[in-house]
Amino acid sequence: DAGITQSPRYKITETGRQVTLMCHQTWSHSYMFWYRQDLGHGLRLIYYSAAADITDKGEVPDGYVVSRSKTENFPLTLESATRSQTSVYFCASSTQGVEQFFGPGTRLTVL
Amino acid sequence: GEDVEQSLFLSVREGDSSVINCTYTDSSSTYLYWYKQEPGAGLQLLTYIFSNMDMKQDQRLTVLLNKKDKHLSLRIADTQTGDSAIYFCAVYQGGKLIFGQGTELSVKP
Repeated sequence: DAGITQSPRYKITETGRQVTLMCHQTWSHSYMFWYRQDLGHGLRLIYYSAAADITDKGEVPDGYVVSRSKTENFPLTLESATRSQTSVYFCASSTQGVEQFFGPGTRLTVL
Repeated sequence: GEDVEQSLFLSVREGDSSVINCTYTDSSSTYLYWYKQEPGAGLQLLTYIFSNMDMKQDQRLTVLLNKKDKHLSLRIADTQTGDSAIYFCAVYQGGKLIFGQGTELSVKP
């Protein structure tokens, strides 16, 4: 199916574990983004990518790692999960960064 | 950096108009957006307006932009229970979107 998908949709993990959230889009959009959504903070940008092999930090990048070896995939890795990283994570994509289309989100709980 | 502010809650009666307001600080913002988020779902782009426009209308939605006051509003005409959701204002800045906290719209029958 065309569009933007995220997996898993729900994840429970423990403090200190490594977790990778996947994002896949079928539109061949150049730009991809990772946001986290927390009550009282709206959406905050973690990392973004303007093209394959180009990534840049957003507002809250600490504790996260991204890669973009292929245009269609943009995985987000929490190298050593902490409780403060409990959140809902959204991936988005865009042709030129102007009109962003969002995935359904991944709800991550860190115990 | 850019700051985007919205009121947190709005309650209206079905059939009334809803007006959701947003203020921002960076006058150089070129695109301004409204997104809708239903419970458990991602964000859906409702509409956006370019900064050289004052108004944009799309069916029941009207976006008004006052650049002087850095104020953006979204009016939903004939609000329905299906419009109950969180509405986010966002502004474009340097390839990225800066979001407000979201306004939770509650529509009562």
